[in-house]
Amino acid sequence: AQSVAQPEDQVNVAEGNPLTVKCTYSVSGNPYLFWYVQYPNRGLQFLLKYITGDNLVKGSYGFEAEFNKSQTSFHLKKPSALVSDSALYFCAVRDIWGGYQKVTFGTGTKLQVIP
Amino acid sequence: GAGVSQTPSNKVTEKGKYVELRCDPISGHTALYWYRQSLGQGPEFLIYFQGTGAADDSGLPNDRFFAVRPEGSVSTLKIQRTERGDSAVYLCASSLGEGAEEQFFGPGTRLTVL
Repeated sequence: AQSVAQPEDQVNVAEGNPLTVKCTYSVSGNPYLFWYVQYPNRGLQFLLKYITGDNLVKGSYGFEAEFNKSQTSFHLKKPSALVSDSALYFCAVRDIWGGYQKVTFGTGTKLQVIP
Repeated sequence: GAGVSQTPSNKVTEKGKYVELRCDPISGHTALYWYRQSLGQGPEFLIYFQGTGAADDSGLPNDRFFAVRPEGSVSTLKIQRTERGDSAVYLCASSLGEGAEEQFFGPGTRLTVL
């Protein structure tokens, strides 16, 4: 079975400071990993993904994430937070060797950027 | 371009009734997913279509839930004998293919069962 954990319900960061939103995963094989963002009253939007290759992946709006196989983590990061980054962030995993097609999402982390 | 659309945006029904929720994916996307999202939770996988066939329906909670995609485009999620616990936002997503492709989500249908 595959699973995703987002240990923080909420992360608060001051505008201009670096931010990290944590994600750990569990799969039987090798993972495809995704980050999505949900703004109030808007649908989920894709931010970035890790498939293979370079462990540091860059995505939309200046976000990046680092894949760490030994720690089974895929933390989302941004060097300098903006107030407009305030939203709900979801990590997701697909086990490419599991024989399943489902994508499992975490419970989400609310990011609050304080002006 | 047009994104994923879902209708209706809101549906209020009474316990025991039958409901249908519709999803129009992005043109050319062969993969289509249905999820259910309850308040404070992440999207919960229900079913995945590749073309017309359901490639993975392991997330459907019971036999009251059924989904179809007869022509490989529009999909309908059908819920029979609705229960109050079915109340949630039902999300549809589509992607170009399976595996590594990112999903494009619709705005969702908020289902309320009274």
